[in-house]
Amino acid sequence: DAGVTQSPTHLIKTRGQHVTLRCSPISGHKSVSWYQQVLGQGPQFIFQYYEKEERGRGNFPDRFSARQFPNYSSELNVNALLLGDSALYLCASSLEAGRTYEQYFGPGTRLTVT
Amino acid sequence: AQSVAQPEDQVNVAEGNPLTVKCTYSVSGNPYLFWYVQYPNRGLQFLLKYITGDNLVKGSYGFEAEFNKSQTSFHLKKPSALVSDSALYFCAVRDIEGNKLVFGAGTILRVKS
Repeated sequence: DAGVTQSPTHLIKTRGQHVTLRCSPISGHKSVSWYQQVLGQGPQFIFQYYEKEERGRGNFPDRFSARQFPNYSSELNVNALLLGDSALYLCASSLEAGRTYEQYFGPGTRLTVT
Repeated sequence: AQSVAQPEDQVNVAEGNPLTVKCTYSVSGNPYLFWYVQYPNRGLQFLLKYITGDNLVKGSYGFEAEFNKSQTSFHLKKPSALVSDSALYFCAVRDIEGNKLVFGAGTILRVKS
């Protein structure tokens, strides 16, 4: 079975630009979460979506937004990019949105902002 | 707020020896604890979880973790380390609302042959 897939793998953008990252969850999984992992740190939670509705938002500015589509895939959008947005962006899917369900992570998108 | 701490930045162990990667937690209510492993330039791979039940949890690749409520710990263990176990290990706790994982800073495991 295919795992969580993310695109693109790598991305280089300039400060002030906008970026869209994409994620396809494991087949049958209804919940998608986004995390930001800065080099040398653990992942930080950005968003969780379940059945197309936002279930949680981390401590990130409004420049960050996301959505989930009817097929459960998801997009993460970041506007007005800053150098500090350079990171590995991870998407995770889980069967449901409850506390007992483990999340399965994709390989990530490496975003570099210059 | 839920949190986990990984007190060791790096753990070194010889191949064939037992390994332990430490994690302590701070939670309100019952803890929902997870271990993940990350290889270079890769996403995180799920190893195991503790929800309830037996304090010794068995996971993937021969790893296990021991939940200790009195010491608020959830240490990752393996009886015999492999060189291929060398990676970055993260302990995580699910938050009260259930919508996110809160990760520790990670521990680098180096297994030498």
